[in-house]
Amino acid sequence: DAGVTQSPTHLIKTRGQQVTLRCSPKSGHDTVSWYQQALGQGPQFIFQYYEEEERQRGNFPDRFSGHQFPNYSSELNVNALLLGDSALYLCASSLQGNLNGYTFGSGTRLTVV
Amino acid sequence: KQEVTQIPAALSVPEGENLVLNCSFTDSAIYNLQWFRQDPGKGLTSLLLIQSSQREQTSGRLNASLDKSSGRSTLYIAASQPGDSATYLCAVYAGNMLTFGGGTRLMVKP
Repeated sequence: DAGVTQSPTHLIKTRGQQVTLRCSPKSGHDTVSWYQQALGQGPQFIFQYYEEEERQRGNFPDRFSGHQFPNYSSELNVNALLLGDSALYLCASSLQGNLNGYTFGSGTRLTVV
Repeated sequence: KQEVTQIPAALSVPEGENLVLNCSFTDSAIYNLQWFRQDPGKGLTSLLLIQSSQREQTSGRLNASLDKSSGRSTLYIAASQPGDSATYLCAVYAGNMLTFGGGTRLMVKP
């Protein structure tokens, strides 16, 4: 049973560019959430997608946007990258209602130079 | 706004010691609390999930308790091993999101 799959594992972008990160949820899960983890800190909630719609959003600017596809996979897009966007981006999947907790992927390490 | 605090921020102990990691949260209106382990540069591995109606959960050498009314959870690690070295994160679930603490960085020395 595949867990949560994220791609790419690492990438380096230049300030001002745009980036797309991808996530495939664990089999049987229908909800995908994205988190940003800066070095040495706990993850911060970006947003959650369910039924192809954004259900909840954390305190992140509109430069951060997302999408969920009919197969429940998801993308995170970040426009006009800033140096401060450098972080580990984590995708988590769950069943609607989170009765059995979240399953996290291994993350995408984004470095903005 | 929910805030989660973990104490201590870092801990270094000799192998074999029993450990207690602490987590506190400000809003007791949570659905569940989850403890995670994170190895350097890696994703999160779920250790234990405690529903809001439960008091504790156990898995092997790990035991987690939850006191929702006081806004506290503890993770107890028995007979620590060098392989337990990692960052431990607690997170509470409410409002369709997890709110994380800053983590406890654990080093178990042989």
